Amino acid sequence: GQNIDQPTEMTATEGAIVQINCTYQTSGFNGLFWYQQHAGEAPTFLSYNVLDGLEEKGRFSSFLSRSKGYSYLLLKELQMKDSASYLCAVTDSNYQLIWGAGTKLIIKP
Amino acid sequence: DAMVIQNPRYQVTQFGKPVTLSCSQTLNHNVMYWYQQKSSQAPKLLFHYYDKDFNNEADTPDNFQSRRPNTSFCFLDIRSPGLGDAAMYLCASSSGGRTGANVLTFGAGSRLTVL
Repeated sequence: GQNIDQPTEMTATEGAIVQINCTYQTSGFNGLFWYQQHAGEAPTFLSYNVLDGLEEKGRFSSFLSRSKGYSYLLLKELQMKDSASYLCAVTDSNYQLIWGAGTKLIIKP
Repeated sequence: DAMVIQNPRYQVTQFGKPVTLSCSQTLNHNVMYWYQQKSSQAPKLLFHYYDKDFNNEADTPDNFQSRRPNTSFCFLDIRSPGLGDAAMYLCASSSGGRTGANVLTFGAGSRLTVL
């Protein structure tokens, strides 16, 4: 079967750095996405990785290792508005998008 | 601004009473999706349209139907809602193409409550 694993919940402090991990087992790989979803709202696109390495976008960075089936999302200089769920999703060999259940990130002052 | 709009944002219905949720997009995307998402769970794809080509997921119950009368609009019909159908229903669109880099743009969602 196809599977995406992420921690259910994480807590971090305002101004700090947090790393959210995602591991995947899918039939083929055509890219990995991170989406942010605030409570009661729709997911919004954060990043896309298809090659190994780190992609940086302002305070957010996403890393991919295809050989390990592993990605992480790194959030720096955390702000209260970063409190949200972070969803990892992988496009498999049939271009189907496989979603993780998301990691709920709680930011404390 | 180009976007995906869902109506209604909140829908309360009674057990067994049909419901229709609507979605429109001004992005001129050729692919539209309907997802069901329950609390703290991954979004579950119900079906998607690739242009006019309708694709039903194997495990989508027959209780769920969809229509796409034109490129911009898509509807989700729940013929006889049960308590287990209470969820957030997310519509999304993308520019399509069989590529891994298909970014989805989501609407704000329709939250369905079944009494």
